[in-house]
Amino acid sequence: GQQVMQIPQYQHVQEGEDFTTYCNSSTTLSNIQWYKQRPGGHPVFLIQLVKSGEVKKQKRLTFQFGEAKKNSSLHITATQTTDVGTYFCAGPRGNKLVFGAGTILRVKS
Amino acid sequence: GAGVSQSPSNKVTEKGKDVELRCDPISGHTALYWYRQRLGQGLEFLIYFQGNSAPDKSGLPSDRFSAERTGESVSTLTIQRTQQEDSAVYLCASSPSGTGSFNYGYTFGSGTRLTVV
Repeated sequence: GQQVMQIPQYQHVQEGEDFTTYCNSSTTLSNIQWYKQRPGGHPVFLIQLVKSGEVKKQKRLTFQFGEAKKNSSLHITATQTTDVGTYFCAGPRGNKLVFGAGTILRVKS
Repeated sequence: GAGVSQSPSNKVTEKGKDVELRCDPISGHTALYWYRQRLGQGLEFLIYFQGNSAPDKSGLPSDRFSAERTGESVSTLTIQRTQQEDSAVYLCASSPSGTGSFNYGYTFGSGTRLTVV
């Protein structure tokens, strides 16, 4: 079945450095969603990408959907301590979302 | 309600006991999902409800797990004869319609942390 792979598993950056997490699917996706889970919290929906090659920005966060709609990335510019958490991508499989394993981001101040 | 509400927030139970976890979705959300998240792990799909029917139960790990939903309202996830490997956070999410509409993200509840001792 469809799998959604995410890398890296873990990243520790200095405050102010950039951060990127990558998501790859074994099959073409109709859309991809990104979620953020703060430590001890629950996943919170960030954004959905639908179109091939789509790029969306939310302040310091830039989301991209690949031309083949099989990969996606989330880039954070100049990380802050408030960016700490786990970032998950998720793609639809049938009537549910399949989540990647997540990338844990830690920020050193 | 304003968000997805789950109860209890924490549950400690003895191995072999049954537990019932409750989820109250956002009013008007027809789709409801249960996921399990073990410590430090990703989200594992359990079951999907559209209204009060469950078209996808493929993620339920064993016949000790069952779930039901009343109309487009409350859902309960029941785990019978709990085992230590059932220890995890059980997350409920709702959305205005099924994932097939591809227009909505999920709104998650705060989860129930289940510990089986």
